[in-house]
Amino acid sequence: EIVLTQSPGTLSLSPGERATLSCRASQTISITYLAWYQHKPGQAPRLLVYGAFSRATGIPDRFSGSGSGTDFTLTISRLEPEDFAVYYCQQSDGSSFTFGGGTKVEIK
Amino acid sequence: QVQLVQSGAEVKRPGASLKVSCKASGYTFTDYYIHWVRQAPGQGLEWMGLINPAGGSTTYAQKFQGRLTLSRDTSTSTVYMDLSSLTSEDTAVFYCANVQGGYYHYAHWGQGTLVTVSS
Repeated sequence: EIVLTQSPGTLSLSPGERATLSCRASQTISITYLAWYQHKPGQAPRLLVYGAFSRATGIPDRFSGSGSGTDFTLTISRLEPEDFAVYYCQQSDGSSFTFGGGTKVEIK
Repeated sequence: QVQLVQSGAEVKRPGASLKVSCKASGYTFTDYYIHWVRQAPGQGLEWMGLINPAGGSTTYAQKFQGRLTLSRDTSTSTVYMDLSSLTSEDTAVFYCANVQGGYYHYAHWGQGTLVTVSS
């Protein structure tokens, strides 16, 4: 089973700052299989990026995904107040799915 | 528009079984796999398993093998999740989510079902 490790666990930033979230896989995965989600309390997760760098419909361009192999990154160029949430990476090996442990982006 | 509507909150006793439904609308039911994901209090997202509504084939996470059963009713575009032998560690919000065939990310999510297991 592929394990996804997200870092840092918590990111304390101010609105307007840049957020860089890391997701490291225990083995190489295809970019096709890597996605990122935003999750707020009381809501369902929201797809942000799929295929490692393709933004989902309606997602602002301040969100961008990058990476390959075992190292992937979600960048939020300038944090808006509504961006403070928990972010998860997710991968599939074709028959099963796994999530990273999440990174909480909190207001500093 | 695509919607996944789940059944309501449940309170269960330890040892009981749970059945949660997920009704799909706004798309061709057999074009998307349905997955189940849960989040225990203070924890992250955990993948449980999937069902292919077209043929009914299933794949379960090893952790839930023997205790989880996914089924579907194509006449009502509904998927069911059955989880048996509940313990307090099964207290969580359970989500269904769909994945379009040929893709590997969750396009749409249900609203979540809170399940509390307590004596």
